[in-house]
Amino acid sequence: GAVVSQHPSRVICKSGTSVKIECRSLDFQATTMFWYRQFPKQSLMLMATSNEGSKATYEQGVEKDKFLINHASLTLSTLTVTSAHPEDSSFYICSAKDRPTEAFFGQGTRLTVV
Amino acid sequence: GQNIDQPTEMTATEGAIVQINCTYQTSGFNGLFWYQQHAGEAPTFLSYNVLDGLEEKGRFSSFLSRSKGYSYLLLKELQMKDSASYLCAVGGNSGYSTLTFGKGTMLLVSP
Repeated sequence: GAVVSQHPSRVICKSGTSVKIECRSLDFQATTMFWYRQFPKQSLMLMATSNEGSKATYEQGVEKDKFLINHASLTLSTLTVTSAHPEDSSFYICSAKDRPTEAFFGQGTRLTVV
Repeated sequence: GQNIDQPTEMTATEGAIVQINCTYQTSGFNGLFWYQQHAGEAPTFLSYNVLDGLEEKGRFSSFLSRSKGYSYLLLKELQMKDSASYLCAVGGNSGYSTLTFGKGTMLLVSP
């Protein structure tokens, strides 16, 4: 199946700093990628839909100025958590579809803000 | 709106069969997905149903009834490694739209 690579897998940062997470589709072009967040023992919650060449679409309650999304190419989307705070500590996962019937996920990024 | 329900936890013994149910009420529907997720890892794709009926894939089968807004995932010959969270997800109106996830069912397989 298609491969989605996410980097880094783990990151620890200081409160107030910014962290960038990359999501790459390795063997297919993804015009649309999705960013999810998952808190412990909870389900995946969609944060935003990343569209190549245009602005991302954010879900209600997600601050677009805090979670900056850039989808500059058909194989790369980035999520930058700006001015991170401890409550932003979470598991962030991206996904992309190469066809309607299957969505592939990156490995996820465990963010810890101290 | 989107509403997807599945049991929070289930337990079963090794070698047994378990059925995980999922009911959904969504504004759009373009397929139902099942994912397996081990703790701290990303979800992995198990199955996709868009038409009514049963899809079988090895030890895993998935069933869909669109008129009832109902699906189940059937796991046979359970193994210890099957202990994980199983997520039911519904695709939106278009083929490349996002997925809405249920809260997941934590399955614990005991010896």
